[in-house]
Amino acid sequence: EAGVVQSPRYKIIEKKQPVAFWCNPISGHNTLYWYRQNLGQGPELLIRYENEEAVDDSQLPKDRFSAERLKGVDSTLKIQPAELGDSAVYLCASSTKLTVVAFFGQGTRLTVV
Amino acid sequence: KQEVTQIPAALSVPEGENLVLNCSFTDSAIYNLQWFRQDPGKGLTSLLLIQSSQREQTSGRLNASLDKSSGRSTLYIAASQPGDSATYLCAAYTNAGKSTFGDGTTLTVKP
Repeated sequence: EAGVVQSPRYKIIEKKQPVAFWCNPISGHNTLYWYRQNLGQGPELLIRYENEEAVDDSQLPKDRFSAERLKGVDSTLKIQPAELGDSAVYLCASSTKLTVVAFFGQGTRLTVV
Repeated sequence: KQEVTQIPAALSVPEGENLVLNCSFTDSAIYNLQWFRQDPGKGLTSLLLIQSSQREQTSGRLNASLDKSSGRSTLYIAASQPGDSATYLCAAYTNAGKSTFGDGTTLTVKP
């Protein structure tokens, strides 16, 4: 069974440029999460989806971040424009249950220069 | 707001030693507590999940305990091996699915 697939693995962009990350969750997983992980810290939730509905986006910086999960499967996280402080690893995860995160992808390491 | 703390931030032990990793949380009204392992440059791998009605869970050489009243969970690793070297993170969940992660303990097991 394929795990959670994220792309790209690495991305280097100049500040003020846009960037997008893509996530394909495990088949049948209704719950999808996007996390941001800074170096030496634990993941921080950005947004959580139940099917195509964003049920918790309270931590998403909505002035520059946006996300979508069309048809309740794949998801895209976008940053526009990127700032130096956005450099981090962006992790996608999926689960069949609301109250536990079961599987993480390998993450996208973003470097903003 | 839930806060999760893991102390120490780093731990180095010789191979074969038994060890305990600590996780503390400020809001005892958690629904689940989960332990993860993260290898460098990788995502997180779930190790053990303890539901709020449980006191502990075991998987192989790993045993996780949960004491909600004191706001603590521990991960016990028996007979540590170099392959156990990684960062271990705990996460506390509310019944609405909101997760809060600690910053992890980086474990090094020396041969």
